Amino acid sequence: ETGVTQSPTHLIKTRGQQVTLRCSSQSGHNTVSWYQQALGQGPQFIFQYYREEENGRGNFPPRFSGLQFPNYSSELNVNALELDDSALYLCASSLAGALYEQYFGPGTRLTVT
Amino acid sequence: GESVGLHLPTLSVQEGDNSIINCAYSNSASDYFIWYKQESGKGPQFIIDIRSNMDKRQGQRVTVLLNKTVKHLSLQIAATQPGDSAVYFCAENIRNTGKLIFGQGTTLQVKP
Repeated sequence: ETGVTQSPTHLIKTRGQQVTLRCSSQSGHNTVSWYQQALGQGPQFIFQYYREEENGRGNFPPRFSGLQFPNYSSELNVNALELDDSALYLCASSLAGALYEQYFGPGTRLTVT
Repeated sequence: GESVGLHLPTLSVQEGDNSIINCAYSNSASDYFIWYKQESGKGPQFIIDIRSNMDKRQGQRVTVLLNKTVKHLSLQIAATQPGDSAVYFCAENIRNTGKLIFGQGTTLQVKP
């Protein structure tokens, strides 16, 4: 186990709704990255947070947003949900000095109907 | 564009044999390459990484080889066990960013 926790485990939403996913990083890790993993695909980088600010973003629209809190935990918010947003959402924590060494949580499975 | 690809979608090996999982990458600016193991219903689990200035790194039962000339990465698992059955991903880190680019994955099936 990595010590990275995510909630909820599963979630079902309707198209057009909004969703908030949560992540607690591994103890001592100050950087959180979020990834989207569609079924049968590798994870795709959404964005990264360090010192409560976005520190890099992948090719995702602005309706994907995030927050990081002083305790390094993080939230991923998705507005105006679309059917294609159905995926496993993963967060990963790391240290700022070793951003490549990321430890993943178990993920939140989001289904949009 | 940026891409990390895997040569074979499924690899089936006999228990006790060695496994080799291959990966091609295209981004010359990557500074680290990482292998992850993902079991069903779980998040990716860090296995081993290699810095771009190295060509080989060994861990417990695993070895990663990096060939920058042909932009190729491989993961060797010695004495493969049933518990090694999973999907394996290679990922590259865009230099100094922590942005990992993953391939689609190779499913490793271990036959008893």
